[in-house]
Amino acid sequence: DAGVTQSPTHLIKTRGQHVTLRCSPISGHKSVSWYQQVLGQGPQFIFQYYEKEERGRGNFPDRFSARQFPNYSSELNVNALLLGDSALYLCASSLWWENEAFFGQGTRLTVV
Amino acid sequence: RKEVEQDPGPFNVPEGATVAFNCTYSNSASQSFFWYRQDCRKEPKLLMSVYSSGNEDGRFTAQLNRASQYISLLIRDSKLSDSATYLCVVNTHSGAGSYQLTFGKGTKLSVIP
Repeated sequence: DAGVTQSPTHLIKTRGQHVTLRCSPISGHKSVSWYQQVLGQGPQFIFQYYEKEERGRGNFPDRFSARQFPNYSSELNVNALLLGDSALYLCASSLWWENEAFFGQGTRLTVV
Repeated sequence: RKEVEQDPGPFNVPEGATVAFNCTYSNSASQSFFWYRQDCRKEPKLLMSVYSSGNEDGRFTAQLNRASQYISLLIRDSKLSDSATYLCVVNTHSGAGSYQLTFGKGTKLSVIP
């Protein structure tokens, strides 16, 4: 069975640009969440979606948005990129909210 | 106070040693708890869930004390392959379908030959 897949794996963008990151959850998993991890820190919660509805939002600016599609895949969008947005962006899927979350390999975003 | 705090590390231990990681969390409403391991520049991978009764998986033992809001992980007979960063993770769910994983900063373990 395929695990959580994310695309692209690496990305370089310029300040002020927009980026879209994609995630496909494990088959049968209906919940997807997004995390940002900067070097030396643990992942920080950005969004959580369940059954295509936003169920949770972390302390990130409105430049960050996301959505979940009918097939449970998800996109994370970041507008007006800043240098500080450079990080590893992780997507996780879980069957239910009480269950373990499984992570994709992440998208490493570099903003120059 | 940070929501999830871990030993700052790093821990450098010889092969065969026993090593213990400690973690405290601040949100008493948190419902489930996990340890993840993360190799350099890779994604976090679930190591084990943590239960109040304590649970063991081979050389790994995890313990939860809800009263003290304390979580621990014990690794016995350390192997070189155990070298990684260990993340303490707390899950707080606030309503139907809603949950949030809060991570500690991680503790880096290096097992030395």
